[in-house]
Amino acid sequence: QSALTQPASVSGSPGQSITISCTGTSSDIGTYNFVSWYQQHPGKAPKLMIYEASKRPSGVSNRFSGSKSGNTASLTISRLQAEDEADYYCYSYTGSTRWVFGGGTELTVL
Amino acid sequence: QVQLVQSGAEVKKPGASVRISCKASGYTFTRYYLHWVRQAPGQGPEWMGMIDPNGGSTSYAQRLEGRVTLTRDTSTSIVYMDLRSLRSEDTALYYCARGGFDALDIWGQGTMVTVSS
Repeated sequence: QSALTQPASVSGSPGQSITISCTGTSSDIGTYNFVSWYQQHPGKAPKLMIYEASKRPSGVSNRFSGSKSGNTASLTISRLQAEDEADYYCYSYTGSTRWVFGGGTELTVL
Repeated sequence: QVQLVQSGAEVKKPGASVRISCKASGYTFTRYYLHWVRQAPGQGPEWMGMIDPNGGSTSYAQRLEGRVTLTRDTSTSIVYMDLRSLRSEDTALYYCARGGFDALDIWGQGTMVTVSS
């Protein structure tokens, strides 16, 4: 199972919005709504930000939102803040009780 | 509170095996899958496998199948990850994480495994 495809890096200024894409196939993202997004700061464990493509766990800022269309999922961060600077990973169920991560996107807040 | 606590760092020689434990607390152990994820230095996470503590069924990433085994002890709420025939490419931070089909909501603190001669 190949990793999901994400852009290596994105950047934005404070207050702006950015979107990170995550492209899979008809066998994973295209079939299942079990797509989640994780934020990882250096030296820390990943933190769940979005699950089931568009749901936000309790305690996660409503500046984070997710969507899915076809084989591509997206994470949007609005009103960017300095603390959003981190690596972001998507993760999807691929069937047969297996899962796969995206390659990761480094977000820089300018 | 809900938490996963992993065993400490390991240094192993190529060809050796390693066992990492992950103790769950604060929730019903058998209600959630336990996944293992590793992250090599400077790389993204890699899903390794999953165990259903309720029954013990497992699933592994194809590229690791044959080298990794997950087991659980329901009496102590501990999951074990065994990785055999270690090579330098297995040097990574290993995490256990609680989750279902939808996401990984609770993560352990990570266990560093270094494979070096």
